[in-house]
Amino acid sequence: DAGVIQSPRHEVTEMGQEVTLRCKPISGHNSLFWYRQTMMRGLELLIYFNNNVPIDDSGMPEDRFSAKMPNASFSTLKIQPSEPRDSAVYFCASSFRVSGGPLQETQYFGPGTRLLVL
Amino acid sequence: GDSVTQMEGPVTLSEEAFLTINCTYTATGYPSLFWYVQYPGEGLQLLLKATKADDKGSNKGFEATYRKETTSFHLEKGSVQVSDSAVYFCALCPVLSGGYNKLIFGAGTRLAVHP
Repeated sequence: DAGVIQSPRHEVTEMGQEVTLRCKPISGHNSLFWYRQTMMRGLELLIYFNNNVPIDDSGMPEDRFSAKMPNASFSTLKIQPSEPRDSAVYFCASSFRVSGGPLQETQYFGPGTRLLVL
Repeated sequence: GDSVTQMEGPVTLSEEAFLTINCTYTATGYPSLFWYVQYPGEGLQLLLKATKADDKGSNKGFEATYRKETTSFHLEKGSVQVSDSAVYFCALCPVLSGGYNKLIFGAGTRLAVHP
């Protein structure tokens, strides 16, 4: 079975450019997470979708960041304009959440997109 | 707020040595606790979890026990292999998480096992 798929795996861009990261969650999963990993701040949750609806975007750092999930099999994280401090590894994860169930389901992570903004 | 503290790495061991990676947490009530592992160039994978006090999670020879009295969830393995070399993350899901599995991760501990 295919796991979570992310593209591109690596992205190098110049400050001010628009960057779009893509994610395909595991088929049948109804929850999707975007994380950012840096040496300084560790692993941070940026945004959480459930059934394609953004539920918690409190981790999105600023208006330069936006995320969409137009359907159950695709999500994007966009940075416009990008800045050097956005350089990080961005992970997408998905899970199957039973409504009202216990808060312990496994999150399945993609391989990440390593972003470098020059 | 809720938080997770892990021992700093790197932890360097010889093959077949005993492994302990310390993890303590600060949280209200009884959060769910997790260990995730990240192999080089890959995303995180769930290693084990425990959802209530005194529960023991185990997988692939790794174990961790949910200790409420010491607010700890230390990871142990009796005999490590070179293939266990990775970064290990302790995480919790708060009781009041907004209705979803909102994980709070520790900083991660890098383990290097030498032949």
